[in-house]
Amino acid sequence: QSALTQPASVSGSPGQSITISCTGTSNDIGRYNYVSWFQHHPGNAPQLMIFDVSRRPSGISTRFSGSKSGNTASLTISGLQTADEADYFCSSYTTSDTWLFGGGTKLTVL
Amino acid sequence: QVRLQESGPGLVKSSETLSLTCDVYGYSISVGHWWGWIRQPPGKGLEWVGTVSQGGSTSYNASLHDRITISADTSNNQFSLTLTSVTAADTAVYYCARQYRTTSSLHFDYWGQGILVRVSS
Repeated sequence: QSALTQPASVSGSPGQSITISCTGTSNDIGRYNYVSWFQHHPGNAPQLMIFDVSRRPSGISTRFSGSKSGNTASLTISGLQTADEADYFCSSYTTSDTWLFGGGTKLTVL
Repeated sequence: QVRLQESGPGLVKSSETLSLTCDVYGYSISVGHWWGWIRQPPGKGLEWVGTVSQGGSTSYNASLHDRITISADTSNNQFSLTLTSVTAADTAVYYCARQYRTTSSLHFDYWGQGILVRVSS
């Protein structure tokens, strides 16, 4: 199984919105609504930002939203803040009770 | 607040066995959910290694299946990873995480900070 595909990097200015894509196949993202997004500052524990495609854990800002269309999931961050600068990666449940992760996207807030 | 903490040797010799433990705080693993290991080789993306239930059921990455064992120790509220016959390709930051699992929701919610394990020749 190949990893989910994410862009290596995205950037935006404070206040703008950005979207990070995560592309899989009909065996993972296209089949299950179990897509998650994580924010990761290297050296720290990854933080869950979105689960089950579009649900936010308690305490996560409404500026973070998730969606899915076909085999591609997306994370949108609106009203960019400098504190949002981090690595973001996606994950998806897949067939045979296994999991796939994306390669990670480095977000730079200019 | 649920917290996970990985522990184990940071250096393992090639062909030997890698053993890591994840201590869980703030939640009893015997209550439910599954518990997993995910790793990230230097400069690469994350790779799911495997998961274990509180009852001992397991699911493993097929690429590691013949070398891996994940087990849960409910008495000590921890779970562990054993990977045999390691090579340089097993060098990675290893994360442990809780796999939140219900009939309507499935995701990894709490993660440890990760532990770097290097395989030396």
